[in-house]
Order: sequence, then C-alpha cells, then structure tokens
Amino acid sequence: GAVVSQHPSRVICKSGTSVKIECRSLDFQATTMFWYRQFPKQSLMLMATSNEGSKATYEQGVEKDKFLINHASLTLSTLTVTSAHPEDSSFYICSSRGLAATDTQYFGPGTRLTVL
Amino acid sequence: AQTVTQSQPEMSVQEAETVTLSCTYDTSESDYYLFWYKQPPSRQMILVIRQEAYKQQNATENRFSVNFQKAAKSFSLKISDSQLGDAAMYFCAYYSGYSTLTFGKGTMLLVSP
Repeated sequence: GAVVSQHPSRVICKSGTSVKIECRSLDFQATTMFWYRQFPKQSLMLMATSNEGSKATYEQGVEKDKFLINHASLTLSTLTVTSAHPEDSSFYICSSRGLAATDTQYFGPGTRLTVL
Repeated sequence: AQTVTQSQPEMSVQEAETVTLSCTYDTSESDYYLFWYKQPPSRQMILVIRQEAYKQQNATENRFSVNFQKAAKSFSLKISDSQLGDAAMYFCAYYSGYSTLTFGKGTMLLVSP
C-alpha cells in the first residue's frame, strides 16, 4: 500500500503555544488530504478535508482559526494547532487519497499532542 | 447521511481459529466502497481489505475475506487462522464519491494463545 508519513510522532508543548504537524504522501500524489482526531478507545473523528491549492473544508464544530490547514502541494499538508490548550491534547491522524475520488485513503502513523 | 454500525465492541478468538467481525451500513447510494481498517496498539491505521459495491465477488486478502451482502447492507470480515498479530481495533468504513469516509465505532479483537 501507499505510504503516508507524519511528523512529529509526539509533541509536548506549553499552553498558549502553536504546534505544526506535517503529513506527507511519500510515493503517490494526494489531491485530497484529511485530518482526524482520535480520543482513546474511540473512532476517528474527521476534522477537515483539504484539497491541494484550495482552502480546507472544516467539519461542523471544528474551529478553523484554531486548526489551520495548509495543503500547498500534492504531497504535503500541514495542521497547525494555534494557541494550544490542554483540551487540544489528543491523537491527530492525517490521511491521503490519490488523484481519483475512488482511490483508497491511506493513513499516517499519527501524532500524539500533549499540551501542558 | 450514511451510517456504519459495528455491533460488537469486543471479540475474542484463539490462535489458529476463525473469527467474524460484523458491520452493517445504511445508504441510499448504489455505487460505493467498503473498507476494513486495522488499528494495532501502535495506532497506525492499516488497510485490510476493500470492496467495490458493484462487484458481486467477495474480496479476499490472504487470511482475510469479506461476506458482502448488498441487499442486506452487510459487510462482515472473516479472519482465518488467527494470529497474535491480528490483535487490534478493527474499523469498518464506507465511502461513496459524494461523501467522506464514514467509520464505525470499531471492534476490539483479542487473540489468545
């Protein structure tokens, strides 16, 4: 299957700081990338969908000014958690889909964010 | 809206035995895709198997096979010859060209020696 990398795998930051998470499609071009949040023992919750070169589409209840998404190329998307607070602590997972809308989504290994 | 239901929060199986994980979904679409993803303790989501709704033949990948019943909107996963490495959370997921990937709540599979 296709490979999606995510960096960093773990990050600890102080409350009020911003954190950037990178998601890269290593061996395929991803027209669309997705960002999910997962709480312990729960399913994945979609936060936003980003298409290369255009603004991200956020799910209801997700603050777009807090979770900034940039999808500048067909292989890279970034999620920036701005002014992080302890309640933002979570596991964040990115996913990439190829050029066709029917392509399978492949997932990154996730990032554990802890806000102190 | 599409919904995916996994009615088994947890299942147990012994090594070398066979186990079936259930999944049902609700949709008004005729053309869609169904997936089973595995999430082991590392939390990396791994694609196990994919089924196109227009295909009548059930998808198989080595020890993993599905029983796709389109009329009943059922998509179960059968794991044969279970191995310790199969222990993970399994998510059933639905996708059509008009929606984002919709996940079920997951089934935790425990494998005992």
